[in-house]
Amino acid sequence: QVHLVQSGAEVKKPGASVKVSCKASGYTFTSYGISWVRQAPGQGLEWMGWISVYNGNTNYAQKVQGRVTMTTDTSTSTAYMELRSLRSDDTAVYYCARGVTGAIFDYWGQGTQVTVSS
Amino acid sequence: DIQMTQSPSSLSASVGDRVTITCQASQDISNYLNWYQQKPGKAPKLLIYDASNLETGVPSRFSGSGSGTDFTFTISSLQPEDIATYYCQQYDNLPMCSFGQGTKLEIK
Repeated sequence: QVHLVQSGAEVKKPGASVKVSCKASGYTFTSYGISWVRQAPGQGLEWMGWISVYNGNTNYAQKVQGRVTMTTDTSTSTAYMELRSLRSDDTAVYYCARGVTGAIFDYWGQGTQVTVSS
Repeated sequence: DIQMTQSPSSLSASVGDRVTITCQASQDISNYLNWYQQKPGKAPKLLIYDASNLETGVPSRFSGSGSGTDFTFTISSLQPEDIATYYCQQYDNLPMCSFGQGTKLEIK
């Protein structure tokens, strides 16, 4: 069965970077894109961006454009999301999600808590 | 950018009630609309895709309808395990997408 397993919680200082991983199993990794969605405490879902695992193409939300990089390693079926120049409002749970037809998210990772605090 | 207006933001209903949530898009998005359920501390779960298609394994009491700018999500008979927050999501301009603000559903 399909699983997306994310890396553990992170605590970072403002201005630092964080890299979250998402290891996929149970399906052909290159056949689906991966999106990243975050959720600030008590808030709704915010789409951050997408990567085509097939060819590495990316598309980022304007809000994080310039600070985020999404990559994949097909040899380990792992997707990565790096966010730089962290601010307190980046504190959130970060999810990876498999996208069918681009943005029908049928499987999600368990979430990674990222806390930005001085 | 396409804005999604979801209502109500919260809802209290009794077990067995019919529950309806609406989502309005700021422009025509055809049927590119999904619905998710999120329970506290958990990842969202896909319930309905392409406005009206029930995801495999999801109980038939959940349904969706609509096209263009106006969409409806319905639980025909509310069960205790349906307590969650529900989100609509549009994906008219792939690969970008956006979510509604969410509807928190509670038992009366």
